[in-house]
Amino acid sequence: GENVEQHPSTLSVQEGDSAVIKCTYSDSASNYFPWYKQELGKGPQLIIDIRSNVGEKKDQRIAVTLNKTAKHFSLHITETQPEDSAVYFCAALNQAGTALIFGKGTTLSVSS
Amino acid sequence: KAGVTQTPRYLIKTRGQQVTLSCSPISGHRSVSWYQQTPGQGLQFLFEYFSETQRNKGNFPGRFSGRQFSNSRSEMNVSTLELGDSALYLCASSFSPEVKTQYFGPGTRLLVL
Repeated sequence: GENVEQHPSTLSVQEGDSAVIKCTYSDSASNYFPWYKQELGKGPQLIIDIRSNVGEKKDQRIAVTLNKTAKHFSLHITETQPEDSAVYFCAALNQAGTALIFGKGTTLSVSS
Repeated sequence: KAGVTQTPRYLIKTRGQQVTLSCSPISGHRSVSWYQQTPGQGLQFLFEYFSETQRNKGNFPGRFSGRQFSNSRSEMNVSTLELGDSALYLCASSFSPEVKTQYFGPGTRLLVL
């Protein structure tokens, strides 16, 4: 079935360092890949998304890259800050284009 | 613009009972999707509603149902609750089913005892 794998499950960095989270997806027909940040007690917040006709997208300290051939995409956070600490989820639109398939999440801890 | 709102935020029920959760999408958004989030299974798609019609459904039993009203507000219902239904239920809204950018609400945390 359709699947999204996300690595690592936990990531600890020092403030100011970069953090990279990677996801692979199984369905080559997927064409939309959002990233969400979820803080404790809150719902997931969309932080950036990318479509299959684009290889990279940046928004200030956050960037996402997509490699359609390898079927993987990554989230890059530069100059991390303590407020970046949260659980991050990647997702891919399923083949039918009807639902998002989510990865299991990465718990990012940024220590000052 | 106000975000997605969900009520209630917390619920405690016992096995066998039923529960109804409510979601109000972002103003102007007409598509509402529901997801179940658990530590073991993560985020899983339940169903999507648009124009008061269920357009898509995930792999959940028939005890899970929903509906959408003419003002785009949506409700989901779980009948004959089981312990395994304990989860965070999230609602997400988007402008339309074709626009896949989804914005989530804070969720309703359901505990089944």
